[in-house]
Amino acid sequence: GQQLNQSPQSMFIQEGEDVSMNCTSSSIFNTWLWYKQDPGEGPVLLIALYKAGELTSNGRLTAQFGITRKDSFLNISASIPSDVGIYFCAGRTNNAGNMLTFGGGTRLMVKP
Amino acid sequence: EAQVTQNPRYLITVTGKKLTVTCSQNMNHEYMSWYRQDPGLGLRQIYYSMNVEVTDKGDVPEGYKVSRKEKRNFPLILESPSPNQTSLYFCASKPRGQGNTEAFFGQGTRLTVV
Repeated sequence: GQQLNQSPQSMFIQEGEDVSMNCTSSSIFNTWLWYKQDPGEGPVLLIALYKAGELTSNGRLTAQFGITRKDSFLNISASIPSDVGIYFCAGRTNNAGNMLTFGGGTRLMVKP
Repeated sequence: EAQVTQNPRYLITVTGKKLTVTCSQNMNHEYMSWYRQDPGLGLRQIYYSMNVEVTDKGDVPEGYKVSRKEKRNFPLILESPSPNQTSLYFCASKPRGQGNTEAFFGQGTRLTVV
């Protein structure tokens, strides 16, 4: 299947710092999504991107859909302890099922 | 409350003993799918269904079966579980079409096969 390379795999930062993570693919996607997973829970959608070049914010989170449609980044500004979790990017093509290909995840740890 | 419900949340079983993980959604979504999550690999799709009686293989279908007899239910069946199927499993649902409603995930089922 398709592969999404997500980096970094983990980050350990100080509260208040900004965070940046990204995903790249060898294939084109029509949609990029960013999810967060808390321990013991399923992924929850943070931001959805539907157009190449689109830049979207959700509170302290900002994500962009790369112009080549093969990459996306997520930034978190002024991190707080509750930002701790695993962040996943996911891409979707318009294939049968419209289902998702996920990156390997970025584990974020925030030191108060 | 809109939700995707998986049961059980935790299961320890022995190699070869058939098991079923149930998934139910109350949002009348057409699309449902199963993923497994393994460290460093993210979530990989096992099977998906675009509607009742319509199912298809995802990226890692070997060793799994599914059925979609009703719109709300999409059980995952392991006929003869093996230790390499030890994983965290997620069911997801989504309405048909594009737009601003994305996949809605259940809380996960942690399966251990010994």
